[in-house]
Amino acid sequence: GNSVTQMEGPVTLSEEAFLTINCTYTATGYPSLFWYVQYPGEGLQLLLKATKADDKGSNKGFEATYRKETTSFHLEKGSVQVSDSAVYFCALKAGGYNKLIFGAGTRLAVHP
Amino acid sequence: DTAVSQTPKYLVTQMGNDKSIKCEQNLGHDTMYWYKQDSKKFLKIMFSYNNKELIINETVPNRFSPKSPDKAHLNLHINSLELGDSAVYFCASSPLGGTPVLGELFFGEGSRLTVL
Repeated sequence: GNSVTQMEGPVTLSEEAFLTINCTYTATGYPSLFWYVQYPGEGLQLLLKATKADDKGSNKGFEATYRKETTSFHLEKGSVQVSDSAVYFCALKAGGYNKLIFGAGTRLAVHP
Repeated sequence: DTAVSQTPKYLVTQMGNDKSIKCEQNLGHDTMYWYKQDSKKFLKIMFSYNNKELIINETVPNRFSPKSPDKAHLNLHINSLELGDSAVYFCASSPLGGTPVLGELFFGEGSRLTVL
């Protein structure tokens, strides 16, 4: 079946450090891939997405590239800020009806 | 002003009770969802309604019953609550959710249910 595996947190970084959060997936067919972010006290928000192999999604300095050969969609940011502290969820959509399959979430804590 | 709002945000109750969580969206979307986030943070879809019609019904105990009085509301009623029902329940909505076309999901802030 379809599933998403992402690295366990928490990830703790200093401001301006480089961020990578790993995400791999298992799916039949060609899924669309997403990163959602949940800031403290808020609901999940779409951060970026990619709908086909080799697509790169980007937003707010975050990037992720859809790698079909390694079934991965790792999230990266070159220089994190304290305001990036949140929980990040990798997700895939395979099939219709916007049925998203989420990973377990990775908590990021950025310190000044 | 909130796009997707859930009430209550926190709910503490005893085993065996019946409780409801309400969700409303003011985005004009046709499709709404309930997701459950367990203690290990896994988010799993439970139900989805498109224009008041049930379109996704995952393997969920029949103690859980969604109700959609109109396309802006999707409520979740839970009968005979069990300890394992303790979780955070997220409501979401999206445009075009009833078609294969990709639509972004907009989530509420979650309702934390604790069953004692």
